[in-house]
Amino acid sequence: DAMVIQNPRYQVTQFGKPVTLSCSQTLNHNVMYWYQQKSSQAPKLLFHYYDKDFNNEADTPDNFQSRRPNTSFCFLDIRSPGLGDAAMYLCATSRDRNQETQYFGPGTRLLVL
Amino acid sequence: GESVGLHLPTLSVQEGDNSIINCAYSNSASDYFIWYKQESGKGPQFIIDIRSNMDKRQGQRVTVLLNKTVKHLSLQIAATQPGDSAVYFCAENGAAAGNKLTFGGGTRVLVKP
Repeated sequence: DAMVIQNPRYQVTQFGKPVTLSCSQTLNHNVMYWYQQKSSQAPKLLFHYYDKDFNNEADTPDNFQSRRPNTSFCFLDIRSPGLGDAAMYLCATSRDRNQETQYFGPGTRLLVL
Repeated sequence: GESVGLHLPTLSVQEGDNSIINCAYSNSASDYFIWYKQESGKGPQFIIDIRSNMDKRQGQRVTVLLNKTVKHLSLQIAATQPGDSAVYFCAENGAAAGNKLTFGGGTRVLVKP
């Protein structure tokens, strides 16, 4: 059974057109993360929620926002996608932050035209 | 900054042979390590983890070794199968990493039939 679910698996958007990616989890984990992964690179953390507390990485562009309306769901909003934002976006969850395994979803592949 | 890195970007192995993937880390205070497997177009999948109070941990066909003296860990895959073809990432998550998952650069394993 899927524990971290991401929709859609593939998303095509136009340059500058806002897009939202979604993530849900059945693990009841406190922490949810969003990563960006480009080809042949390791995932790069954008931000995470510890319960309702939002934690942004210092180098995450303002173009990227996130919402977590409840424990199970978390959204990634890209306000004005540029060509450089084309990537795989990965959602992950963990029970806590320190010394905890993170469980990843299958990812959403974003294409910007 | 602190880093977790891999020695070999690509490893080609004959089916049935054992595979060894190496990883170095730079922070001697690092205390929790995870190996992930990522198949093409999918999210990272947890394989095995190890804490700094251990030198060795075994799973199903996989063994992780941790050498704190030289700040090195390795993943050994026994009797490598075609389904093991993927990119493997080592990662650190602990207080030394700011309670964030810090990934190494990844090693691609190609299994030859």
